[in-house]
Amino acid sequence: SQQGEEDPQALSIQEGENATMNCSYKTSINNLQWYRQNSGRGLVHLILIRSNEREKHSGRLRVTLDTSKKSSSLLITASRAADTASYFCATDSGGGADGLTFGKGTHLIIQP
Amino acid sequence: NAGVMQNPRHLVRRRGQEARLRCSPMKGHSHVYWYRQLPEEGLKFMVYLQKENIIDESGMPKERFSAEFPKEGPSILRIQQVVRGDSAAYFCASSPQEGANSPLHFGNGTRLTVT
Repeated sequence: SQQGEEDPQALSIQEGENATMNCSYKTSINNLQWYRQNSGRGLVHLILIRSNEREKHSGRLRVTLDTSKKSSSLLITASRAADTASYFCATDSGGGADGLTFGKGTHLIIQP
Repeated sequence: NAGVMQNPRHLVRRRGQEARLRCSPMKGHSHVYWYRQLPEEGLKFMVYLQKENIIDESGMPKERFSAEFPKEGPSILRIQQVVRGDSAAYFCASSPQEGANSPLHFGNGTRLTVT
């Protein structure tokens, strides 16, 4: 079964607006990671948040983690056309012993 | 410092043929992971290898699929007697540390099409 599930499946916003994506998971985790995938390319790591952390920032990215609700959110502020991509959350349990388990992703479209 | 290199980028095979996918991890990385991605889907874990060892192959089909990471050379994902259902993008990732507590560095994938 899917460990991480992103919501919404697709999101279209205007350039300059903020984009928020959510991820829910089922089992306990050590950390949660967010990745971006541009069309036809591999995944690029964005940010890792550990289970004892509640919030983390990296540039225009803000990630929160609520282990009591088994959920995480990724906020991209002041979006740009170049942010158009699919965004995946990944957790370190539910898959292979040492493999990350990915959700199906949120497809984000930034309209100029 | 080159990233994770996968080749070929695109591979077309007829049903019944063999597919060999290669992955060279980032310099200094000794941990390699293979994932499969279907269109509009997330990545599914297949196998985790260290040099000369398969650590976890719980995500890999028992038949027709095999993986190796020799002491010298790239990691190879081998699919024998391919079927149409094997058509997918196959991604390799590497990391310098054991386990899932560090970011993975991904290649750009091999897109396998079985005709």
